[in-house]
This record gives sequence, C-alpha cells and structure tokens, in this order.
Amino acid sequence: GAGVSQSPSNKVTEKGKDVELRCDPISGHTALYWYRQSLGQGLEFLIYFQGNSAPDKSGLPSDRFSAERTGGSVSTLTIQRTQQEDSAVYLCASSLEVARAEAFFGQGTRLTVV
Amino acid sequence: AQSVTQLDSQVPVFEEAPVELRCNYSSSVSVYLFWYVQYPNQGLQLLLKYLSGSTLVESINGFEAEFNKSQTSFHLRKPSVHISDTAEYFCAVKETSYDKVIFGPGTSLSVIP
Repeated sequence: GAGVSQSPSNKVTEKGKDVELRCDPISGHTALYWYRQSLGQGLEFLIYFQGNSAPDKSGLPSDRFSAERTGGSVSTLTIQRTQQEDSAVYLCASSLEVARAEAFFGQGTRLTVV
Repeated sequence: AQSVTQLDSQVPVFEEAPVELRCNYSSSVSVYLFWYVQYPNQGLQLLLKYLSGSTLVESINGFEAEFNKSQTSFHLRKPSVHISDTAEYFCAVKETSYDKVIFGPGTSLSVIP
C-alpha cells in the first residue's frame, strides 16, 4: 500500500480481555516499530523488528505484551488480560533498513479498556 | 542508553511571533536527529532531519533546526509562526549504527491569533 496501515482504528475492550492490533508496513520496508502514545506521555518505544534479526523487545512494559512479524511484513501486537492503564494510541511505523531512513507512521489504533 | 529531553511540554505563542522548541539528547555515539510533527487528529510525519554535513537543516514550511554537537542539542525554530503550525512536535534520535528511534515526550505548540 501507499502508507502504513493499522487496524482497527479504534478498539474498545473490557478489562481482562485480550486484544490484537495489526500493522501493515509500507511494501519493501524491512524495519518495523511499535510505539505507545498516552496522553501527556509522548511516544513510548515498545518493540522493533529489523529484517530477520531478533526483535528488540526492550520497551515492552510487561509480559502481557507481545508482538510478532510474519514473513517480514505484517505485524501483530497482542495485549493479554488488558488493564485500564493499557488505554492509549498504539502507533506502528516502518522504514527502510538503512540507518538514515526516516520512519513512516500509521494513523494508530486507539485502544480503550473499560 | 539514548534519551531525548524536550523541556517545554507546552508552548503558547502569538501568530507571527518567533518560536523555539528545545531538544536535547544523550548518546555516547554518533546519531541522526529528527523532528516529527503531529497535527490535530493526524498521524506523525517527518518535519526535518539531520544526517550529516551542514548543521543547519530546514523544512519546506519555514522551520529550521541546528545540530549542536557540543551541547547535544537540536532545537527547532521558526521566525514567524502561523495558526496552521499548531501541533505536537516530537524530537527523535537514532544511533548511526542501529535503527531504533527514540522519541522525546513532545512539545505542544499553540499559536494564538
């Protein structure tokens, strides 16, 4: 596609339920990032995939969070047993696997845990 | 470890006045620096970037930023702001040898008519 696509755009879930957020990066982009944007908190790094290397998971806030990237393209961020503090906008970005390359962002998924 | 500081969380400024949004970073290695902008109800988009060469970089809409290695800063400036510049501005840093991008907390710029 022309840009980074994220789905769903909005998700309301009950506390304790699991959710899956999807990201389709720009075709040809081998680097993929997940960030979390909370009100007044800026962008919090969650996880980074680079080609076939092991992902950098250093930003995942707890073991309830996990992400995978299948076939080097689509990525899914899974949050298990959601809590109210998980409510935020989850942003996905992709870039060429070149250090100088800029990251292109999707529109995000707004997650609300009630 | 890398980190990015944006000291001003909110900056109100009158239309046509100058503005400076501050950004400082910490890193022990060479870095690339970026400013991203998020307009209301829109996604993040790149405003400008420093990769190498001239330490002063410009955007197409009148913003500029200067890389100061000794002060580890990358402040964003515009001599005369417009209402349409109202947005959230994020400074970001990436090590030249590693792709992970770290963002600052953001500065909310509000332009007052």
